[in-house]
Amino acid sequence: ILNVEQSPQSLHVQEGDSTNFTCSFPSSNFYALHWYRWETAKSPEALFVMTLNGDEKKKGRISATLNTKEGYSYLYIKGSQPEDSATYLCAFRTNAGKSTFGDGTTLTVKP
Amino acid sequence: DAMVIQNPRYQVTQFGKPVTLSCSQTLNHNVMYWYQQKSSQAPKLLFHYYDKDFNNEADTPDNFQSRRPNTSFCFLDIRSPGLGDAAMYLCATSRDWTGEETQYFGPGTRLLVL
Repeated sequence: ILNVEQSPQSLHVQEGDSTNFTCSFPSSNFYALHWYRWETAKSPEALFVMTLNGDEKKKGRISATLNTKEGYSYLYIKGSQPEDSATYLCAFRTNAGKSTFGDGTTLTVKP
Repeated sequence: DAMVIQNPRYQVTQFGKPVTLSCSQTLNHNVMYWYQQKSSQAPKLLFHYYDKDFNNEADTPDNFQSRRPNTSFCFLDIRSPGLGDAAMYLCATSRDWTGEETQYFGPGTRLLVL
């Protein structure tokens, strides 16, 4: 059984704060790490696919880093806005293609 | 435009009464997945289809079945829903089964069992 852990479970920040959260995953049989954003009443939306150790990806104010040797990825949000409020899920994928998701970090950004 | 559509968004069924959830996609993707998510937990893969090939996860209960009559549609059948089957059911697609392929999700169907 693969263990993918996300922390913290929830986070409340003020508009304009920068924030980050963590996804920990097994360092063996790594193939890819996916980040998704899931807003209430909407579909989970893919943010990043990360495959190489040391990868850094950026999309607007959101960025992510990957360390496959120690088994973690960080997601950063710079200058959080209320529209960033969502649950952020990471998914660990082996070369067999199966995804194992973490429980998610629920971010609430207060205006 | 919605690419992965799930109907209905909310489904109420009675204990033991068969229920079917549906998913359709306009992406022409080879792979379709069904996930179960219970409150504040990780989505759990139930099964997936690669084209017509069905792949069941080892710990998916026999109570859960799936059908994929064509590329666009996939159904989740719960033969005798129990109270423990109340959950959000997510359908997803991907072009291929490899680890770097992005999955595209529908909005989910929330199932309530009375």
